[in-house]
Amino acid sequence: AQKVTQAQTEISVVEKEDVTLDCVYETRDTTYYLFWYKQPPSGELVFLIRRNSFDEQNEISGRYSWNFQKSTSSFNFTITASQVVDSAVYFCALSEAGGSYIPTFGRGTSLIVHP
Amino acid sequence: DSGVTQTPKHLITATGQRVTLRCSPRSGDLSVYWYQQSLDQGLQFLIHYYNGEERAKGNILERFSAQQFPDLHSELNLSSLELGDSALYFCASSLKGGLISGEQFFGPGTRLTVL
Repeated sequence: AQKVTQAQTEISVVEKEDVTLDCVYETRDTTYYLFWYKQPPSGELVFLIRRNSFDEQNEISGRYSWNFQKSTSSFNFTITASQVVDSAVYFCALSEAGGSYIPTFGRGTSLIVHP
Repeated sequence: DSGVTQTPKHLITATGQRVTLRCSPRSGDLSVYWYQQSLDQGLQFLIHYYNGEERAKGNILERFSAQQFPDLHSELNLSSLELGDSALYFCASSLKGGLISGEQFFGPGTRLTVL
């Protein structure tokens, strides 16, 4: 069975602070994919990243970076120098080959960035 | 604007009723995905269609059904509605046919309220 845990329900930071959103997953599959999505206050979901289980390289995209560690079954997301526009709910998701790649989502972390 | 449209934006109905949610994918996208987001269940994958054919089924109730038409728009039919069906229903589209093989672009969602 799949499981995705986002233990941080809500994080509050002040603009320009760095913030890390945690995602811990459980799977017995060796082939799986991990995702992050953003849901701003407007409500629309936005795809941020997809990472497969065979690629543990960290990824950086502007102020966003992702740290994938199979040893700890974690796929954490860091926002550097946070901005008010980063305020949103962020979802981590897991799709595994044995589950026909049907995604399981975490409960989400609400990030509030104060000016 | 993702290019995915969903109608209606809001829908209020009574228990026992039937409703139809409509989704038009981005121009050129062949895949349509449906998701449900509720306070109780969080974000859940419902069903995936590719070029008119059902490709994957998630936690979709038997009271719910979907289809994708030749013009690639999709409809999600919800019948015998219950209070617990109140949720935000998202549609997403992508060019490719797999659940993990491409970026999904999400529509603004239809908020269903069952009274």
